[in-house]
Order: sequence, then structure tokens, then C-alpha cells
Amino acid sequence: DAGITQSPRHKVTETGTPVTLRCHQTENHRYMYWYRQDPGHGLRLIHYSYGVKDTDKGEVSDGYSVSRSKTEDFLLTLESATSSQTSVYFCAISASEGHQPQHFGDGTRLSIL
Amino acid sequence: SQKIEQNSEALNIQEGKTATLTCNYTNYSPAYLQWYRQDPGRGPVFLLLIRENEKEKRKERLKVTFDTTLKQSLFHITASQPADSATYLCALVSSGGSYIPTFGRGTSLIVHP
Repeated sequence: DAGITQSPRHKVTETGTPVTLRCHQTENHRYMYWYRQDPGHGLRLIHYSYGVKDTDKGEVSDGYSVSRSKTEDFLLTLESATSSQTSVYFCAISASEGHQPQHFGDGTRLSIL
Repeated sequence: SQKIEQNSEALNIQEGKTATLTCNYTNYSPAYLQWYRQDPGRGPVFLLLIRENEKEKRKERLKVTFDTTLKQSLFHITASQPADSATYLCALVSSGGSYIPTFGRGTSLIVHP
């Protein structure tokens, strides 16, 4: 299995609080991604990174920011969490863009009350 | 608009039979298509990739076909087993774009002993 660790695995927090999710990889892959998965929507891309300090927005980036200061870590921040951001968040990595598959972590289940 | 469609209804089959899952797409020029398996509480796991110029790909009991005229991919599991029960996701990568896959919502497969 690809070495991807997401933390925390579960979190419950209140509306308006800041939340940071962490993705840590041991594969030295260049590309990292954050997705959210909701019933009826499947996996949707939030942000991705193609190198240290190089990030770009995905399909559903509003309300989220990311940072990548080291190859192995990709952080997702909800500056002021809303109930609509209750979801399961997955981090993925890939060796390159193109035909390389993505390898996923086991997700963070985030509940915002 | 671009769409990837997978059957939202679960597919129930008997052990030993062949399971066939469908992925249809519209308004894509796919470079290639990927299939993933997702178990409850886990991240998706990559299974197979097929390029737009390939008609068929096999791996052990798995077979994927890709018909760019019909805009459809079929995913087959032969001699299915209860352990094959999971949700299967297809993901499209468009040519000329960012090469980040866009995922379908997935189809649940239930194999009965």
C-alpha cells in the first residue's frame, strides 16, 4: 500500500471554527490532491499540488485553502467551517500527471455542527 | 456539460457469475479511463487503466473495455466472489487538460454466496 496517512481520521467541530486536515506521504510523489466525497456527488476535487508551494484550485475550492511547504505534507484548511463542509475528505497522491493512477488515503470524516 | 454516469442502483449477483458494471460519459475527449474499487470506510484503490486507443484490458479476473464511439466503458469481474462486494468507481482523464481524473459516483456491487 502507498504510504499515505491522513489525520485526524474523525473530527467533530462547530460552525465558524477553523479546521486543518493533514495528509502525509512517504512515497516522495510530486502530485497531491484533496477530494471530498458526498452521497450523490462522488469524489470532487478541492485543490491539488504539483510541487512544493505549487497549488491550484479544483472544482469545489470555495471555503478551502491549502499549503504545501514540504514534499511529504499537504494541508487542507477550512478557515471558518460551515455545515455544508460536513463530508469525508480524501487525500491522494500520484507520481506524475498523465496516466499514473492515484493512490488514496483512508479519509477524514468531518462533521460540522 | 461534461458528465460521467454510473448506475446508482446496486448490482446484485450470485457468486460465480460475471458482474458487469457500466460507465458512460458525455462531452469528454478521454485520454484514458481508470477503474477503482472502494470499500466502506476506506479510500479508493486503483484497479485498471485503459487508454483511448485500447479496446480491452485484462488483469486476472478483471476485464475492461473502452468504446469511444459509444462513449462507454464496461468493467467485468468473472467468477465473482463475495469478497468482490464493494463500490466501483470509474474515472476519466481528458486529453488536453490538467490530466487530473474526474470520478463517477460509483456503482455498488453485492455478490451473494
